[in-house]
Order: sequence, then C-alpha cells, then structure tokens
Amino acid sequence: GQSLEQPSEVTAVEGAIVQINCTYQTSGFYGLSWYQQHDGGAPTFLSYNALDGLEETGRFSSFLSRSDSYGYLLLQELQMKDSASYFCAVATMDSNYQLIWGAGTKLIIKP
Amino acid sequence: DGGITQSPKYLFRKEGQNVTLSCEQNLNHDAMYWYRQDPGQGLRLIYYSQIVNDFQKGDIAEGYSVSREKKESFPLTVTSAQKNPTAFYLCASSTGTDGNQPQHFGDGTRLSIL
Repeated sequence: GQSLEQPSEVTAVEGAIVQINCTYQTSGFYGLSWYQQHDGGAPTFLSYNALDGLEETGRFSSFLSRSDSYGYLLLQELQMKDSASYFCAVATMDSNYQLIWGAGTKLIIKP
Repeated sequence: DGGITQSPKYLFRKEGQNVTLSCEQNLNHDAMYWYRQDPGQGLRLIYYSQIVNDFQKGDIAEGYSVSREKKESFPLTVTSAQKNPTAFYLCASSTGTDGNQPQHFGDGTRLSIL
C-alpha cells in the first residue's frame, strides 16, 4: 500500500523556525506537494518538489530527498497567522498521478 | 476574481435521501476534483474529471456520483447508499491532472445527517 507519515502536532514560538517532516512509502513516486489549511477553511497550495533539493518561496521552503522517501516544510520567522494544519501529499504513477494526502500536522504558535 | 464556488456551505440529509453539492469554477481549468475530509484526517479523493463528459473514480467513490456536462461545473451527489456521509466536502480544480499542478479549492460544504 501507499502511505504518508507526518507528526500530528508541532508547537513553536512566534518568530522562530519550525520544520514539519513527511515520510512516504509509495511506488512510482512523481512529486511531493505541501498545502496549508486554516481551521474550517480551504487548503491552499504552498509548494511542489519533484527533484531532490530545496525550493524556497519567501518565508516557506520545502525539501525533498527521493532516495530517503522524505521531505520537509520549513517555516521561518513564524507569525501567529501561520497557525494552521499543514498537509503533505504525493503524486504517484500508481495513483494515476492523483494526490495521496497525509493526515496533516497542526502547527500551534505561541506568543 | 477567479475562483471556485461551493454551495451550500451547510447541508443536512435525511435517511434515504440523495443530496447534491454544487461546485462551479471560473478559472478555465480542465481538471476538477471532489474530496472528503473527516476530522483530524487528510483529504480522500472521491471522483475527478480531466475533461468535460469524462470522470474517474477515486479511492472512495462508492455511494457517490458526479457529472461533468460543462467545463465550469462538477456537481457531486451523495446517494442514500453512502451510509456515513457526515464530513467536510471539498471541490478543487487545476490546469491538469499530472500531479504537479497546484489545486485550487473551494470553501467546502459541511454535510450532516438529521
């Protein structure tokens, strides 16, 4: 089967840096995406990695290691508005390139 | 502004009743999706459509049906065969379905059983 694992909850302090990890077990891996979802809201796209390495978009960066089946989302200069759930999702050839989603990581930011 | 509109925001279903959730997009996207989200869980794919008049089953299609008669519209019917329909339903669209295209989501519909 195909599965993704990410921590259920992470706590950090405003202004700090936090890393949210995602490990996956899939066949035919194609790419890893990250989405943010505020409570009761719609998910919004953050980043996509298909190749090994770091992708940076403002305060957010995403990393992928295909050989380790591992990725992470790095959030810098945390702000209270970053309090949300963060989902990793993988696309695979076996899933006909449709996204398979992790259960999400709830990020709690303390002042 | 372009976007995805889902309606209604809240919906209640009686036993044995079919209900239809609306999803309309004006982003000119070819691909559309329906997901189900249960509390504390990730999204699970119900159905997706890559083009008008064509759609594919996702992981949890049983008890649901869709149509794609227009590019802009992708309604989801929750049938009486779906015995546990209470969930948050999210519609999304993207320019393509090859896994690397960002998906844009509507604000969702919360469905409950009366």
